Formats: sequence, structure tokens, C-alpha cells
Amino acid sequence: DAGVIQSPRHEVTEMGQEVTLRCKPISGHNSLFWYRQTMMRGLELLIYFNNNVPIDDSGMPEDRFSAKMPNASFSTLKIQPSEPRDSAVYFCASSSRTGLGRAEAFFGQGTRLTVV
Amino acid sequence: SQKIEQNSEALNIQEGKTATLTCNYTNYSPAYLQWYRQDPGRGPVFLLLIRENEKEKRKERLKVTFDTTLKQSLFHITASQPADSATYLCALFGNEKLTFGTGTRLTIIP
Repeated sequence: DAGVIQSPRHEVTEMGQEVTLRCKPISGHNSLFWYRQTMMRGLELLIYFNNNVPIDDSGMPEDRFSAKMPNASFSTLKIQPSEPRDSAVYFCASSSRTGLGRAEAFFGQGTRLTVV
Repeated sequence: SQKIEQNSEALNIQEGKTATLTCNYTNYSPAYLQWYRQDPGRGPVFLLLIRENEKEKRKERLKVTFDTTLKQSLFHITASQPADSATYLCALFGNEKLTFGTGTRLTIIP
């Protein structure tokens, strides 16, 4: 398996534009997570899905952020409109959840987002 | 509020010595604790998982301890090598979430 695949690797956009980040989890994994990493706040959980259903989105910072998982092999994180403070590295991770803590999370390479 | 703290932002250790990293948590009752390694420009990579009823776990040169009374985990790298230089993150599962500490940047000095 190629692991968790994220695209794009880098994104530079202007403030106010819509940004869509994409993730393909590892086949067979039933849990998917979106994290955001910054120097100031570290790795923050934004939202996670179990069997394509959003379970907890309490980490999503604002209504400008939305995430979908239309099927088991694809998820998107959308920011509309984007702001400079959204600049960060966004990671997607997946896990074969029989109880999340018991299973390791596999991370993608991340998308480095810069909003200017 | 729940908090996960890793003892220092950065740690420099001489090659060959044992590096010890600390993870302290408050207001959690985790059943499991995990340690990850993150290299620059990459996502975290899982290293070890330890359960609440396990006091110690080993994997090659890595050793993790878990003290639920002290609410602390220690992560040791013995016979450290420059290739061990990276950021190390602890993570706790609680309230259906996997939450990470801010990490410790470890540098092994040749």
C-alpha cells in the first residue's frame, strides 16, 4: 500500500480564496483524521471520521472549515474563505479502529498551506 | 482542562548516551499512550504503544514507561545515534480522540 496520500503537497493562495485539501486513506482503514500543525499550537485534531461518518468536529476552528468523506477512500477539507491565520501544515491520518488508542495512526506527508 | 505536556521543546544529547523524554498529562484517564517520531517536512510515524496495565514496553533501543499514578510516560533511546535526531510526540487517547503533545526536538550530537 502507498500509505496515506495527500494532495497537494504545497498550496499558496490569496486571502479570501477557497482551498480544498484532499486525502486518500490506507485501504481497509475505517478511521480518518484531519490535523493541523503550527509552531505555536503543535498538532491539533480538527475532525475525525469513523466509517465515513463524522464523529467529532469540535476541533474545527470556525464555520469556514468543512470536511467531507463521501466514501471510504476519499476525504476533503475545505476552507472558504481562507485567511492568513489558516497558514499551517495540514495532515490527514488513518487508522484501523477497533478502539482508536489501540491502533496506530498512519499519517500522510501533509499539505503546507500558505495564505497570503 | 485536559493537557499534555512534554518536558522540553529541545534536548541535546551526546551520541552513545541515553536520551530520556517526558510526557505528563492532566485530566486524562487514558487506556493507551503512544509515541511518534516526526522528521522535518514529514508526518509523524508511530513508534510504540503502551497500555495502562503495562509498566514498560521495549522495542530495540527504545523503551517506554507508563505511570498512571504520576500521570507520566518516559521515553528512552539507549545508545543514541545522530540518526535518532527528530521531534518526538506523545499521544493520548481520551474522549474518543487521539491528542498529541507539542513534542520534544531531540538532537544527538556526534
